[in-house]
Amino acid sequence: EVQLVQSGAEVKKPGESLKISCKGSGYSFTSYWIGWVRQMPGKGLEWMGIIYPGDSDTRYSPSFQGQVTISADKSISTAYLQWSSLKASDTAMYYCARVGYSGLSFDYWGQGTLVTVSS
Amino acid sequence: EIVLTQSPGTLSLSPGERATLSCRASQSVSSSYLAWYQQKPGQAPRLLIYGASSRATGIPDRFSGSGSGTDFTLTISRLEPEDFAVYYCQQYGSSSWTFGQGTKVEIK
Repeated sequence: EVQLVQSGAEVKKPGESLKISCKGSGYSFTSYWIGWVRQMPGKGLEWMGIIYPGDSDTRYSPSFQGQVTISADKSISTAYLQWSSLKASDTAMYYCARVGYSGLSFDYWGQGTLVTVSS
Repeated sequence: EIVLTQSPGTLSLSPGERATLSCRASQSVSSSYLAWYQQKPGQAPRLLIYGASSRATGIPDRFSGSGSGTDFTLTISRLEPEDFAVYYCQQYGSSSWTFGQGTKVEIK
């Protein structure tokens, strides 16, 4: 069974750094792209970026380029999303999702990680 | 960047009725790369349709997708109580993914 399990909710202060994780299981982690999607409170889905764990090839949405860093450790089947200096506007639910080979859609999703940034 | 515009913003219908959701792209999208998702409150999105018209694994046949070019449609033939949710379209092109803003299907 394909599963993506994300790290738990985080509460941070503005200016702090953060790295959240997404662990894949039940499939060949290095053979599928993993994407990150933001959902701000009460809002829609926004694609942030994507990584191919096999070779760490990474692409970013122009809206998020330079704002976050996506990485992966294929030895432990885990992808990461990190911030060096959080802002209140980073408060959101963050989902990881696998890109399937059928139509390059997001076929499996993590449960989401809620990040709250508040002073 | 391709912009996807979904309409209507909210659809108020009764169980048993037919729902028709629209997704319009700012430029032509390959049908192979148009998908639809369902999201219920407190849950992650779920893939319903990929390749514009192919149902994902386990998706009931009351859900169907159609369209090409810049105009795509998700149809729910007869709404079940569990179908009231928010629906998003999504496209892939030029190493970039974008989502529409969503259509909420609510109980009338």
